[in-house]
Amino acid sequence: GEDVEQSLFLSVREGDSSVINCTYTDSSSTYLYWYKQEPGAGLQLLTYIFSNMDMKQDQRLTVLLNKKDKHLSLRIADTQTGDSAIYFCAESSGDYKLSFGAGTTVTVRA
Amino acid sequence: EAGVAQSPRYKIIEERQSVAFWCNPISGHATLYWYQQILGQGPKLLIQFQNNGVVDDSQLPKDRFSAERLKGVDSTLKIQPAKLEDSAVYLCASSPWDGRGGRTEAFFGQGTRLTVV
Repeated sequence: GEDVEQSLFLSVREGDSSVINCTYTDSSSTYLYWYKQEPGAGLQLLTYIFSNMDMKQDQRLTVLLNKKDKHLSLRIADTQTGDSAIYFCAESSGDYKLSFGAGTTVTVRA
Repeated sequence: EAGVAQSPRYKIIEERQSVAFWCNPISGHATLYWYQQILGQGPKLLIQFQNNGVVDDSQLPKDRFSAERLKGVDSTLKIQPAKLEDSAVYLCASSPWDGRGGRTEAFFGQGTRLTVV
């Protein structure tokens, strides 16, 4: 949606780190999320961060949140071919209505 | 735990025909969502139910779209009559969120891909 913006494409070499960026406009956002969508599949929640945090790490995933600039990023370490998918940034503000970005298509090349 | 079930997976209809989609959420989940995902875009919320009541349907085109969640479990989404621009994937999701704040995960079904020709 227009409240959440992402770059559309990212190409990364296998083994390198991927960084996907997202900006949002709603200052009352409570939670921010990263979802992964593989071809023909529904959305899978990868990770989320509460708005009073600035970083969260979960295995190969690192989420950074700059609340002042309303900027969220997802770093995937040691990117693998199985990480090729569309990644959606989403935000909610307490009523659990998720607002999604348009998605970033990540292509991992050998 | 069984996931969110949707049917059919694919549907092709002609413009001005009617179509219905069905969703069976995860057992015990109070909240159910229908999202529309047009190719190249992120999912857009159409309607949100909590149990069998509507929480938010502000983006549902009510002249042609309708949804119900009888008995607070299964849900159906209907389009009547369909237009070309309704071609999209319709995603159903459910969450144990009970409306009292906090964070719970929304679990998504595989979606129904609708093509209107």
